[in-house]
Amino acid sequence: DSGVTQTPKHLITATGQRVTLRCSPRSGDLSVYWYQQSLDQGLQFLIQYYNGEERAKGNILERFSAQQFPDLHSELNLSSLELGDSALYFCASGRRGHEQFFGPGTRLTVL
Amino acid sequence: AQSVTQLGSHVSVSEGALVLLRCNYSSSVPPYLFWYVQYPNQGLQLLLKYTTGATLVKGINGFEAEFKKSETSFHLTKPSAHMSDAAEYFCAVSDDAGGTSYGKLTFGQGTILTVHP
Repeated sequence: DSGVTQTPKHLITATGQRVTLRCSPRSGDLSVYWYQQSLDQGLQFLIQYYNGEERAKGNILERFSAQQFPDLHSELNLSSLELGDSALYFCASGRRGHEQFFGPGTRLTVL
Repeated sequence: AQSVTQLGSHVSVSEGALVLLRCNYSSSVPPYLFWYVQYPNQGLQLLLKYTTGATLVKGINGFEAEFKKSETSFHLTKPSAHMSDAAEYFCAVSDDAGGTSYGKLTFGQGTILTVHP
């Protein structure tokens, strides 16, 4: 158990819909990272938050957004969903030392 | 920009044989390097990491890796494979943002390890 929790575990929705993925980091970790894992793109960094502020952006689509709340949990919002958004979405948290601890992931299926 | 190349998307070994998973990286700054393992339907688990200091790092489950700057490599090895080692392995390099913020990870494409009895 990494100490990072993600909900829901599975999400099935239709094209055009909007979903919210939730992540709670390990106790004491201020940084939260979101990654997308798909068969064709592999593991890709989406976005990072540190203590409530956005710190880095990767290949995140404009239809996707995220935020980190004062209690440090984070939410990834995916809107106008397309079939190609089907993937595993991981949240990770980290602290000094540069290692990141990953949650179990949310498997999103867009039908 | 940083990048990671894992040579071989699939590696197959016999139980008890040496495991060698290859990773080469590209980085414009001193890299922080990691190996993660992913079992089916699970998240990523950290096997080992290199940040600074000793270039031979030991991880969990008998795995180790050696950072070779001249070869820009960070290959993962295990002397004797076990059936439970069957999984997908990812090499990653950290984008060191320094200070109190922590860099994103850039991953290789992954290597699926199969262990035959």
